[in-house]
Amino acid sequence: DTAVSQTPKYLVTQMGNDKSIKCEQNLGHDTMYWYKQDSKKFLKIMFSYNNKELIINETVPNRFSPKSPDKAHLNLHINSLELGDSAVYFCASSQLGSGNTIYFGEGSWLTVV
Amino acid sequence: DQQVKQNSPSLSVQEGRISILNCDYTNSMFDYFLWYKKYPAEGPTFLISISSIKDKNEDGRFTVFLNKSAKHLSLHIVPSQPGDSAVYFCAASARNTNAGKSTFGDGTTLTVKP
Repeated sequence: DTAVSQTPKYLVTQMGNDKSIKCEQNLGHDTMYWYKQDSKKFLKIMFSYNNKELIINETVPNRFSPKSPDKAHLNLHINSLELGDSAVYFCASSQLGSGNTIYFGEGSWLTVV
Repeated sequence: DQQVKQNSPSLSVQEGRISILNCDYTNSMFDYFLWYKKYPAEGPTFLISISSIKDKNEDGRFTVFLNKSAKHLSLHIVPSQPGDSAVYFCAASARNTNAGKSTFGDGTTLTVKP
């Protein structure tokens, strides 16, 4: 029973397209995140939502827009995709006050051609 | 400015031997440290953590050591098993901040040879 699930796992799309990656967690956590792992393997936080409220918004182009319909879901919508957006995107969740352990999804491999 | 560094991109050890993965940090505000393990095509999974009030934390075959004065931590795996072959990420954070503010190192790929 997957704790943090994200879809699609693989996505190949053309430049200029708009795409979404969906994420759901069934851990009852109150905080969700999107991370990006680029070609240099760095894991960088992009956004964090706590109970549907945006609490972390790192320097990310405004073509990236997270949407949290409820605290179990955090979707990532990307407009006008560019070649440099190709990366692995990880959704994650954690529970405030229970240590800083983050639970990651399996990742979504986005390739922009 | 990379605040968390794992200077060895890869490490290869023989099954049964000890694996030692190292991590250095620069931010003295960090007081909570975690190791994550990542298999190919999967997300990172939490392995072990240590608070700055300790200098050692052990969980089965995994032990994390923290040297605050040197701003250095290490993960020891003993005995190493082929199933331990994965990428290991070190992460550091300030405990009273959002977990998402954890800063990750760029990983060390461990290969355990049978």
